[in-house]
Amino acid sequence: GESVGLHLPTLSVQEGDNSIINCAYSNSASDYFIWYKQESGKGPQFIIDIRSNMDKRQGQRVTVLLNKTVKHLSLQIAATQPGDSAVYFCAENSKSGSARQLTFGSGTQLTVLP
Amino acid sequence: DAGITQSPRYKITETGRQVTLMCHQTWSHSYMFWYRQDLGHGLRLIYYSAAADITDKGEVPDGYVVSRSKTENFPLTLESATRSQTSVYFCASRGQANTEAFFGQGTRLTVV
Repeated sequence: GESVGLHLPTLSVQEGDNSIINCAYSNSASDYFIWYKQESGKGPQFIIDIRSNMDKRQGQRVTVLLNKTVKHLSLQIAATQPGDSAVYFCAENSKSGSARQLTFGSGTQLTVLP
Repeated sequence: DAGITQSPRYKITETGRQVTLMCHQTWSHSYMFWYRQDLGHGLRLIYYSAAADITDKGEVPDGYVVSRSKTENFPLTLESATRSQTSVYFCASRGQANTEAFFGQGTRLTVV
């Protein structure tokens, strides 16, 4: 079936280094993608999104890259800080039933080392 | 305050009991979602709604019932709770089909 998945369940980086979190998706009809950050005990928080007519989108310290050819999505965090430690989820938007739904991957735990 | 709120934040119930989790949003968003989050499974969609009186099943709908009589509310009912429904439940809403969803703080449900 269609699914969104992540390549690595955990990622550890040194403070100040750049982080790259990857995501593979399989639904070619998905046209919108979102990255969420979830801290312990909290709900997911929106980080950045990208539509399928774009290859790259930049925010504050974050960049999302979309490669539709290989159905791959990545989140790059520049100069990673301790506050970036969290679980990161990618989500894809696809049509099912009466409306579009958001399907999430299993998440990557990012740990920032001092 | 504006936003999306879930209640209760924590709930312990016995097997076989009916329990309802509440979700309320103040943005008049059309779309609302219920997810459950279990260790190792990420967020799995239970039900979603595109508008009042319109609901659809997600990936794991069995054992759950939803309603959407008003745009701002989207309650989730476990008709006869089972231990396998022990989880953290998140409600989310969004205004349009291709925009980000905003999440509540979650409800931690334990079925004993």
